[in-house]
Amino acid sequence: DVKVTQSSRYLVKRTGEKVFLECVQDMDHENMFWYRQDPGLGLRLIYFSYDVKMKEKGDIPEGYSVSREKKERFSLILESASTNQTSMYLCASTGTAGNTIYFGEGSWLTVV
Amino acid sequence: AQSVTQLGSHVSVSEGALVLLRCNYSSSVPPYLFWYVQYPNQGLQLLLKYTTGATLVKGINGFEAEFKKSETSFHLTKPSAHMSDAAEYFCAVNAPGGYNKLIFGAGTRLAVHP
Repeated sequence: DVKVTQSSRYLVKRTGEKVFLECVQDMDHENMFWYRQDPGLGLRLIYFSYDVKMKEKGDIPEGYSVSREKKERFSLILESASTNQTSMYLCASTGTAGNTIYFGEGSWLTVV
Repeated sequence: AQSVTQLGSHVSVSEGALVLLRCNYSSSVPPYLFWYVQYPNQGLQLLLKYTTGATLVKGINGFEAEFKKSETSFHLTKPSAHMSDAAEYFCAVNAPGGYNKLIFGAGTRLAVHP
């Protein structure tokens, strides 16, 4: 079975903390994504990666960075968490255009 | 620029009734179109997709969608709603620039009543 695994489902962090969200896929996909989901806004792309050590900004990259040291792993980093980053974060992976995009189960982050 | 509009943030139907969730898109390139479903506290699961070929696409759980280029629409339907269909549904279109990026609509929450 295809699998995208987000290691942390629920996190509570304090303002100013550094936060790491980890994502692993087992499908040898080139492309990996981090989306943020908020009510009424749908999913918005934060960053994506099309190869190891390669990354591109999405629509809302401010306040975030990413790391892809291995093909199967894509990490989202909040350098200094703020309350407006409280949200659901979804990792996804896929092959070439038109192929199915597979999502992880999501990470609920609350920043207090 | 690519965009997706889902008409109706909330739709409520009775069990056994027709489900119709509306999606309109704009695209500067031939579109690839997707419908995803999200059950509570879970990630997104692909229902169906249109890339090329037949414009009526059948998906899982009895859902189908029809690509209408002239209307720039990709509405999702199911003839008879089940209680288990209650979820949030997202329509998406491929973004320009490759890498299989998607642009999502705001979502439609479907409620099914007995």
